Amino acid sequence: GENVEQHPSTLSVQEGDSAVIKCTYSDSASNYFPWYKQELGKGPQLIIDIRSNVGEKKDQRIAVTLNKTAKHFSLHITETQPEDSAVYFCAAKMEMGQAGTALIFGKGTTLSVSS
Amino acid sequence: DAGVTQSPTHLIKTRGQQVTLRCSPKSGHDTVSWYQQALGQGPQFIFQYYEEEERQRGNFPDRFSGHQYPNYSSELNVNALLLGDSALYLCASSLGRRNEQFFGPGTRLTVL
Repeated sequence: GENVEQHPSTLSVQEGDSAVIKCTYSDSASNYFPWYKQELGKGPQLIIDIRSNVGEKKDQRIAVTLNKTAKHFSLHITETQPEDSAVYFCAAKMEMGQAGTALIFGKGTTLSVSS
Repeated sequence: DAGVTQSPTHLIKTRGQQVTLRCSPKSGHDTVSWYQQALGQGPQFIFQYYEEEERQRGNFPDRFSGHQYPNYSSELNVNALLLGDSALYLCASSLGRRNEQFFGPGTRLTVL
């Protein structure tokens, strides 16, 4: 089945710096890759996603890149702010001929932005 | 527009007991997925309901069962609770076969 690995597990940056989180997946049939932000005591919030027919997608300070050949995708946050501090999860949609849209998640990256 | 809601917020049970968690999807959504999130881990897929049927299931034992009602709300039932079932249980809603899933705040289950 699909397996998603995420690095690093923790990331500390200064306010205004950029942050990059990387994920790899195992199932070459996967075609949908969302990123979620989870703050303490809350459920995961969808912040950006990318489909396999696109190599890069941007939304203000956030961008995601996808390399299908290498089976990895990355989240880039520019001009980080203290409110960006949270746990970030990457995910891949499970394929293997299934009819549903289940997501397989990485183990998360705790991002700390200090001012 | 109400997002995904879950109840209760917190729950404490003892080993061997049974528990029922509830979820109401985002307005306009008809698909509900359940995930288990252990402390310090990413969410793990339990199962997904669409048109009142279990459409997809993850690697969880039969002690975990669910139901979806005609109004698209859903329940997650766990029988014979184990200490290892302590976790945050998340509900996510989506529309049909669309990929985007939106999560609720979760139910924190503690098994003593």
